[in-house]
Amino acid sequence: EVQLVESGGGLVQPGGSLRLSCAASGFTFSSYWMHWVRQAPGKGLVWVSRINSDGSSTSYADSVKGRFTISRDNAKNTLYLQMNSLRAEDTAVYYCAREVGIAVAATYYFDYWGQGTLVTVSS
Amino acid sequence: SSELTQDPAVSVALGQTVRITCQGDSLRSYYASWYQQKPGQAPVLVIYGKNNRPSGIPDRFSGSSSGNTASLTITGAQAEDEADYYCNSRDSSGNHRVFGTGTKVTVL
Repeated sequence: EVQLVESGGGLVQPGGSLRLSCAASGFTFSSYWMHWVRQAPGKGLVWVSRINSDGSSTSYADSVKGRFTISRDNAKNTLYLQMNSLRAEDTAVYYCAREVGIAVAATYYFDYWGQGTLVTVSS
Repeated sequence: SSELTQDPAVSVALGQTVRITCQGDSLRSYYASWYQQKPGQAPVLVIYGKNNRPSGIPDRFSGSSSGNTASLTITGAQAEDEADYYCNSRDSSGNHRVFGTGTKVTVL
């Protein structure tokens, strides 16, 4: 059974840092691109970042570029999101998600999601 | 543009059909995927690709695409289909992903 379990959320002051983790099990973690998606309270889903299967390529939403760093440890089957210089507007539930991509069919989708971890940025 | 636009809310009578649309330039290059989200829960994939349903998703859910518009149709809506629905695709550069603004579906 595929499982994604996020951890590391909590209350942090503006300007502070936090590292989120996403522990993966039930599949060959090193074969998949992984993403972070967030959702502010009462708001919609927002894509945050992605990393390719071996960790050599990353991409970020403009709103977090330069402040957040996505990484992975394929030996530990774990995805990370290092969040620095946190702002009130970063307050959200953060989900990790596994992506399946079928380039020849122009098809990309998130087939498994974690349950999310809440990050609250407040003084 | 890297935006995907959805109607904020739609309502449907129990057992009737509802179509949710998603518009954006990236949909000319990539198929949308669709996610159902109920309060307090993680999103669930309901449609991906041309018109594919993951295992366990009822066949009343279907997808289609034309030009810059993707659609999710629920044929014979049930009370349990009441939820927020989001589309997603790669953006036009192919490097990022983008979610639609979301549609709240109410089943009357």
